[in-house]
Amino acid sequence: QKEVEQNSGPLSVPEGAIASLNCTYSDRVSQSFFWYRQYSGKSPELIMSIYSNGDKEDGRFTAQLNKASQYVSLLIRDSQPSDSATYLCAVKGSANTNAGKSTFGDGTTLTVKP
Amino acid sequence: SAVISQKPSRDICQRGTSLTIQCQVDSQVTMMFWYRQQPGQSLTLIATANQGSEATYESGFVIDKFPISRPNLTFSTLTVSNMSPEDSSIYLCSATGWDTIYFGEGSWLTVV
Repeated sequence: QKEVEQNSGPLSVPEGAIASLNCTYSDRVSQSFFWYRQYSGKSPELIMSIYSNGDKEDGRFTAQLNKASQYVSLLIRDSQPSDSATYLCAVKGSANTNAGKSTFGDGTTLTVKP
Repeated sequence: SAVISQKPSRDICQRGTSLTIQCQVDSQVTMMFWYRQQPGQSLTLIATANQGSEATYESGFVIDKFPISRPNLTFSTLTVSNMSPEDSSIYLCSATGWDTIYFGEGSWLTVV
């Protein structure tokens, strides 16, 4: 089992729809969770971080965390063609548990069709 | 937030040569890491760069191939030694501040 698993893609949604990206992780003591967007040929850029159970909203993006289920998701509302990219889920332990390292999922490629 | 500068941003290297990538952070960060991202793949952690001491390498990566230095809190280098075409990849410097992971813009290496 991979430490961080993302729903396999590619994911294609029409413009204006909601895109849902999912991620599960295996290490129960993980404390910090991140979603990154990576355009082709670019380095990852941080979209959202979430640390406690529940929802966190930032503009069109909502991150959801459920530590009991070891599940984190990212919803993109009113998807735009510019959202087309690969989305990476990252899970980080504390300095005391996993030496502060972060583990990344394989990524889900999203295509938003006009 | 922290801004990470990496150089070179891109290079074409001859087989058998070595290349050193530099990473400079504009503010003090707690931890620095080096990742590799091969074409079409996700990020793979190479090592944690430890200030003033030997880096901590992940399984599959060794110091002789990827020597790393971190002389102070804000600067680190990664050398890719004796390169082969399999080393063609993006190499990313990463740093953590208060529980946020920052990335440099990456160094795109092509080995011919």
